[in-house]
Amino acid sequence: DVKVTQSSRYLVKRTGEKVFLECVQDMDHENMFWYRQDPGLGLRLIYFSYDVKMKEKGDIPEGYSVSREKKERFSLILESASTNQTSMYLCASSLMGVGTDTQYFGPGTRLTVL
Amino acid sequence: QKEVEQDPGPLSVPEGAIVSLNCTYSNSAFQYFMWYRQYSRKGPELLMYTYSSGNKEDGRFTAQVDKSSKYISLFIRDSQPSDSATYLCASRPNTGGFKTIFGAGTRLFVKA
Repeated sequence: DVKVTQSSRYLVKRTGEKVFLECVQDMDHENMFWYRQDPGLGLRLIYFSYDVKMKEKGDIPEGYSVSREKKERFSLILESASTNQTSMYLCASSLMGVGTDTQYFGPGTRLTVL
Repeated sequence: QKEVEQDPGPLSVPEGAIVSLNCTYSNSAFQYFMWYRQYSRKGPELLMYTYSSGNKEDGRFTAQVDKSSKYISLFIRDSQPSDSATYLCASRPNTGGFKTIFGAGTRLFVKA
């Protein structure tokens, strides 16, 4: 079974702090994604990566950056956390971007910015 | 207008009821249509998918796509309390690329 793990289930940070969210997948998937999930808005893509050191902006990249130094690991960075970044963050991976591109999700990190 | 629209609910039904979950989409290039299920405090998991128009059945679940009206449906027969979850529809085109578009998700409660 594909396993996607996220470093924290719950995180509380203060405004202005730098926040790192880590994601690791164990199935040698090329693609990795970061989403945020908010009530009524669904899943919104922040960034994705289709290879090591490659990244593409999603729909809402402002205020975020990413890093993919190893194939299995994809990090989301909030350079200076703000209260409007309080959300559920979901990482996902997929084998390749064709067909259904089935995405395998981690359990999520609920981030609260005070 | 969002590319995939979905009523967030919540939808509450008694055990044994037939459930109908629906989405509409706007992009004619979409060819793959997926339903993901998300239990509380978990990430979404792919439940089933269809390619282009038509029906697909898997046990108590039937996915249906009508491309002429750009309408996506998921039917759950004999619903169980264990079906209580958020159901997200998703679509993507039949070309390379990485953009899967998710609906907002419909929260379903099945009462025993």
